[in-house]
Amino acid sequence: DAKTTQPTSMDCAEGRAANLPCNHSTISGNEYVYWYRQIHSQGPQYIIHGLKNNETNEMASLIITEDRKSSTLILPHATLRDTAVYYCIVRVDTNAGKSTFGDGTTLTVKP
Amino acid sequence: SAVISQKPSRDICQRGTSLTIQCQVDSQVTMMFWYRQQPGQSLTLIATANQGSEATYESGFVIDKFPISRPNLTFSTLTVSNMSPEDSSIYLCSVSSGNTIYFGEGSWLTVV
Repeated sequence: DAKTTQPTSMDCAEGRAANLPCNHSTISGNEYVYWYRQIHSQGPQYIIHGLKNNETNEMASLIITEDRKSSTLILPHATLRDTAVYYCIVRVDTNAGKSTFGDGTTLTVKP
Repeated sequence: SAVISQKPSRDICQRGTSLTIQCQVDSQVTMMFWYRQQPGQSLTLIATANQGSEATYESGFVIDKFPISRPNLTFSTLTVSNMSPEDSSIYLCSVSSGNTIYFGEGSWLTVV
């Protein structure tokens, strides 16, 4: 699985959009980009994934650059409950369960 | 989706003892995964458990220390053997369902 690079920490004001970047410059053509988050004292929670097109669901939007070497997770209206560690992972979908987790980005949403 | 239940949710264990963690899924799944998360660290995959075969361990993890059972498609156990304080971690069960991975809430072990 390709390695990802994320900033260690970010702050965001409550109600504003949180934009979390991820670099995955060695991603292969058949690898998907997945995002998970882990709220303190809980198991990781799936957020969204994509291959090359931008994706949106009820939780977030995923923007993948045309060369697929980086992506951005967007939480459109961050709330205090979105404070968590966010993990960006790339992997081949047929091997969806086995994932290599980096250190993630600690997002702190402030009032 | 898949709902995963882990037991125990927390435990304090004496060094030298062993503890078995149970993972129950509400649907049949082919692959189950066990992760460890040490304090302040990210998740590290311990092993992959498929029903009917021996678990596949990642580098740095061995069967004698972390024996795994997978008796059917909805259940697995992970045993942490001969525990030391360095084994104090969150142990997480995970399954694949469709394109998504689901995690249990974890078992928080403290070894004293």
